[in-house]
Amino acid sequence: GAVVSQHPSRVICKSGTSVKIECRSLDFQATTMFWYRQFPKQSLMLMATSNEGSKATYEQGVEKDKFLINHASLTLSTLTVTSAHPEDSSFYICSAIGTSGRDTQYFGPGTRLTVL
Amino acid sequence: QQQVKQSPQSLIVQKGGISIINCAYENTAFDYFPWYQQFPGKGPALLIAIRPDVSEKKEGRFTISFNKSAKQFSLHIMDSQPGDSATYFCAGQTGANNLFFGTGTRLTVIP
Repeated sequence: GAVVSQHPSRVICKSGTSVKIECRSLDFQATTMFWYRQFPKQSLMLMATSNEGSKATYEQGVEKDKFLINHASLTLSTLTVTSAHPEDSSFYICSAIGTSGRDTQYFGPGTRLTVL
Repeated sequence: QQQVKQSPQSLIVQKGGISIINCAYENTAFDYFPWYQQFPGKGPALLIAIRPDVSEKKEGRFTISFNKSAKQFSLHIMDSQPGDSATYFCAGQTGANNLFFGTGTRLTVIP
């Protein structure tokens, strides 16, 4: 149980385009989903927390107009990187917590974004 | 500000040996301490976790030792295997579900 999927697993795009990454909880309902960014050989940095049906809460320094997050249902959250630039190239990972409330965060497999 | 400090940054252990990774925290609001294992190009996977009312938790070859007064906890991997080679992250979590990761330890188990 507690499986989280992400799609796509890797994406290459041109500078200036927008990219959407999906995060799904496959076998549980997630009231809260998190989006992280990870640079090579570094730890995970929390970008934002999203609760189903409400606006995401962004961490300090994360541009909310650049990284659009939508948590439309209890099993799906999306991250859209708008007008992507090479410096946005990174490994993006989502995680989810079940409807039981305080619980373990289960992580997706990550999405490797490369902006040319 | 790094809320969870982790060491060592990298660790090389002989097959069959014991791998030990240490973490320290300052935030006394943390009430859940998970360890995650991450292979290259993959997301972190929960390995084992402990709450501060317990001093030790063991699951198979993996043991967490927790010292609440010292605000330190560690992961011990017994009988380390080459398949254990990965990056390990400790973390502290508050009741609000905010998870703060350590900086990671790259473990290499050599045959």
